Amino acid sequence: DTGVSQDPRHKITKRGQNVTFRCDPISEHNRLYWYRQTLGQGPEFLTYFQNEAQLEKSRLLSDRFSAERPKGSFSTLEIQRTEQGDSAMYLCASTPWTGDEQYFGPGTRLTVT
Amino acid sequence: GQSLEQPSEVTAVEGAIVQINCTYQTSGFYGLSWYQQHDGGAPTFLSYNALDGLEETGRFSSFLSRSDSYGYLLLQELQMKDSASYFCAVSEGSNYQLIWGAGTKLIIKP
Repeated sequence: DTGVSQDPRHKITKRGQNVTFRCDPISEHNRLYWYRQTLGQGPEFLTYFQNEAQLEKSRLLSDRFSAERPKGSFSTLEIQRTEQGDSAMYLCASTPWTGDEQYFGPGTRLTVT
Repeated sequence: GQSLEQPSEVTAVEGAIVQINCTYQTSGFYGLSWYQQHDGGAPTFLSYNALDGLEETGRFSSFLSRSDSYGYLLLQELQMKDSASYFCAVSEGSNYQLIWGAGTKLIIKP
């Protein structure tokens, strides 16, 4: 068990570019969550996967954001036409079916210039 | 709407006891969690309360009163390494996605 990993750890991009982040959850964790956190705030829920199915998506999530979890293993989060307001830490968490504890990855820090 | 309220900052002395309160207003409630986050780090799980009462795990305890929409995290025998931000979070739906407070920065002085 190597924990949740995320790649890249840091991403700097220019406004208008597309970016994609990857999350590798703990193996056999079938629940996967994406959150976004800005400085001085708590994480904000973005979307949830149960195995490969995306079951919930925040109403606040712009249609520029899309996420996938093919084969129920790793997940990707894509942001199209990035804006400066997208600058944040993007966190991925996983948990087994019966777990209360969410295991977080180290996050991807996105800076949009 | 939904909101979680917790103090923005708490200061305590090494070896002391500190309580961080959290009140919540959410459309659904399955449980209250507490997470610790050091600067630059990822949140790490501390505790989860689904039912009223006190849960104890080592130096940390967590309490929940569902009728009062209130909970707290109690940290005993504070150590310098406990300096971090502490977040309360509500599991609002059956998918257990978390709704988070803004966090309490705990400053510990020697």
